[in-house]
Amino acid sequence: DAKTTQPPSMDCAEGRAANLPCNHSTISGNEYVYWYRQIHSQGPQYIIHGLKNNETNEMASLIITEDRKSSTLILPHATLRDTAVYYCIVRPFNYGQNFVFGPGTRLSVLP
Amino acid sequence: DVKVTQSSRYLVKRTGEKVFLECVQDMDHENMFWYRQDPGLGLRLIYFSYDVKMKEKGDIPEGYSVSREKKERFSLILESASTNQTSMYLCASGTGGASGELFFGEGSRLTVL
Repeated sequence: DAKTTQPPSMDCAEGRAANLPCNHSTISGNEYVYWYRQIHSQGPQYIIHGLKNNETNEMASLIITEDRKSSTLILPHATLRDTAVYYCIVRPFNYGQNFVFGPGTRLSVLP
Repeated sequence: DVKVTQSSRYLVKRTGEKVFLECVQDMDHENMFWYRQDPGLGLRLIYFSYDVKMKEKGDIPEGYSVSREKKERFSLILESASTNQTSMYLCASGTGGASGELFFGEGSRLTVL
């Protein structure tokens, strides 16, 4: 069963904010939202994760709705190097690290 | 920086050959994973290990086995390679818990002829 739904692709202009949505309407109370990205020909790279509060780090911000049924990853000033496939994953915090990667969103940052 | 090193970026093998894919991590992580990635199918978990000499089947273990004799090393073994095992293989490691940060290697692209 698909636990998250993401648009298959998005475009963003270089220097603008990229807002990547993720729907996780069946999320449980003990499940975190994680975001990874995969640049072409490389392994996936961790970006950020959160439970219910908004989170920010040097790479991105994560906005989780109050009902936790959806979230948005924000890259504040997208660069060409941010072109990648972005994966939104929900996983119980005590479930080891067995991540299930869906198809993700292919973000193209355009010059 | 954490480093996950996979032994070969590109391999070409023949049907029926035994194939070893090696993965080494340098951060003393308890957890290690092997995924394969195919166009249109995404990343699929083959096997994982939460401790030395421990292994658990993932979603697609058929045709594969693994070995974890040392904490830093996790090997994926194809006992008799077949053409449908042509794929990109990705190794990952992590510490577990809520932090959830997995570190991936660069991948090994295996072609079975």
